[in-house]
Amino acid sequence: LAKTTQPISMDSYEGQEVNITCSHNNIATNDYITWYQQFPSQGPRFIIQGYKTKVTNEVASLFIPADRKSSTLSLPRVSLSDTAVYYCLVGGARSGNTPLVFGKGTRLSVIA
Amino acid sequence: GAVVSQHPSWVICKSGTSVKIECRSLDFQATTMFWYRQFPKQSLMLMATSNEGSKATYEQGVEKDKFLINHASLTLSTLTVTSAHPEDSSFYICSARDRLAGTAYEQYFGPGTRLTVT
Repeated sequence: LAKTTQPISMDSYEGQEVNITCSHNNIATNDYITWYQQFPSQGPRFIIQGYKTKVTNEVASLFIPADRKSSTLSLPRVSLSDTAVYYCLVGGARSGNTPLVFGKGTRLSVIA
Repeated sequence: GAVVSQHPSWVICKSGTSVKIECRSLDFQATTMFWYRQFPKQSLMLMATSNEGSKATYEQGVEKDKFLINHASLTLSTLTVTSAHPEDSSFYICSARDRLAGTAYEQYFGPGTRLTVT
């Protein structure tokens, strides 16, 4: 499983765009990049997943450069409720027995 | 979207007793479920992989006789913490993958169970 590196923490003001970058230098050809969000005392919530280029959904955008050795989660106009820990995970194709292995994640604090 | 539930959401038990935690996939079938443990301010640590109809696979350092896992159906896995001790106090989270979903990395997590052993 590819190891990931993310900033331990980030601060942002409400209304700003937040970009969290994740490094995964040894990503494999069939690996996907997935981001999860976790609020205190809750289970992680799937945010977005991508393989290459750009993926956008109603919550976030995921930018993946051509070499796929990094990725950036972009949260537009954050609010206080976006304060959470964000995890970047890399791995997996279609294997039901593959567990998710979490790194330390990025603790985002949104300030009013 | 797919929903995973856990029961109970929190439990307090006395040292030496056993506690059972249930994990259910409500609107999909999950051949495989995973159990994690999370201590305060730390990341999730994988404990075991639960396979329907077969024995669970435990991560290194996790005592299989202490953390009993049973995956009796495609929608239910249970984790029993036997002879609980205060150091077992933690947040236990399960996850499941919809076996019809696209990739293994799109998994759904339960809300977690807070266990406090006194």
